[in-house]
Amino acid sequence: DAMVIQNPRYQVTQFGKPVTLSCSQTLNHNVMYWYQQKSSQAPKLLFHYYDKDFNNEADTPDNFQSRRPNTSFCFLDIRSPGLGDAAMYLCATSRALSAATYEQYFGPGTRLTVT
Amino acid sequence: AQTVTQSQPEMSVQEAETVTLSCTYDTSENNYYLFWYKQPPSRQMILVIRQEAYKQQNATENRFSVNFQKAAKSFSLKISDSQLGDTAMYFCAFMRGTGTYKYIFGTGTRLKVLA
Repeated sequence: DAMVIQNPRYQVTQFGKPVTLSCSQTLNHNVMYWYQQKSSQAPKLLFHYYDKDFNNEADTPDNFQSRRPNTSFCFLDIRSPGLGDAAMYLCATSRALSAATYEQYFGPGTRLTVT
Repeated sequence: AQTVTQSQPEMSVQEAETVTLSCTYDTSENNYYLFWYKQPPSRQMILVIRQEAYKQQNATENRFSVNFQKAAKSFSLKISDSQLGDTAMYFCAFMRGTGTYKYIFGTGTRLKVLA
């Protein structure tokens, strides 16, 4: 089945220690998103890629970076995690049709704990 | 700027009963899309139903239907014959029809189906 895969599902890192979360997709979608979701809150968009075009949200901290080496993979790097960065990180994809796109397909998420 | 409001933080319903979750939005756009997503506890977010603003007919997917009132900017979700598996967080989302690939999410409604 075509899907969005996130690894690892659970990640524990130390305060200030860089961490990388990964996302891969078999849907061949050209748009990929990274969201941060804290408990019982709506997902908060950090950034998204349209093909290789990177689009950062204005309020995403510089501590968060992303890479998309090819269509299938996208990485979220947190350079110096703080306690406030503990959250679920969701990857999603969608297929852009001209200037519009439709539903987003979400991965299962990576739960990040910062100690 | 567009906003999405879900005024019911929590709801409960008896199994086999019907429940309606409310969502209102604010936009000056005429072309847009609306979605309901379901996020079960510790499971990934999945699309429940979507509605194109240019369609007058309300979308239906099995036990899930919407009441789309464009003039009132209202997009409620009706779940009929509620099942225990419907227990989840439900998010309403808005997307402009052109020029963006980003969703605006509401704050969510936590629905609990009671046996």
